[in-house]
Amino acid sequence: QKEVEQDPGPLSVPEGAIVSLNCTYSNSAFQYFMWYRQYSRKGPELLMYTYSSGNKEDGRFTAQVDKSSKYISLFIRDSQPSDSATYLCAMKVIGTDKLIFGTGTRLQVFP
Amino acid sequence: KAGVTQTPRYLIKTRGQQVTLSCSPISGHRSVSWYQQTPGQGLQFLFEYFSETQRNKGNFPGRFSGRQFSNSRSEMNVSTLELGDSALYLCASMRSAGSYEQYFGPGTRLTVT
Repeated sequence: QKEVEQDPGPLSVPEGAIVSLNCTYSNSAFQYFMWYRQYSRKGPELLMYTYSSGNKEDGRFTAQVDKSSKYISLFIRDSQPSDSATYLCAMKVIGTDKLIFGTGTRLQVFP
Repeated sequence: KAGVTQTPRYLIKTRGQQVTLSCSPISGHRSVSWYQQTPGQGLQFLFEYFSETQRNKGNFPGRFSGRQFSNSRSEMNVSTLELGDSALYLCASMRSAGSYEQYFGPGTRLTVT
């Protein structure tokens, strides 16, 4: 079993929809939780990070962490075609160097 | 500020050959991590360097090696290439070791035939 599980999709939604992307994890030592966005033929770019349980909002994006359920989510409001990309969750244990990534969910927002 | 630079962007090699990939981090960043990305396994951590020292290594065979120079530029080397080494190799730049804020380059697409 992988430490981080993520549904690969693809997820196809109409423009303006609310998108929910999710990851589950098994290692309770994870303390930092991140979401990256990767466009085709590009490297991942950091969208959001959270340290504790709860919600964090940044514009149209909201990251949610539920440590008791070992479950994290990224919500995208008013989705746009430019949001079409692969979204990767990543996690890190404090004091260690490496990030553990989910395999990514491919999102397509159609006009 | 210039981003992370990786060269070459694309590479085709034959089984048994070796390859060297290069990464220049963001100016002022002193730590570099390398990842292998494949469709089936996603991003997998290879190693991290800080101040020319390897701090951590992932679960890859010894054919995968790396180094970091005094100017923070990093190289990774794969010897005796296998078909399964075909992947996108990503370099991430960090201001300091162990940072969660990692800035990725565009990657080097390696194809082994």
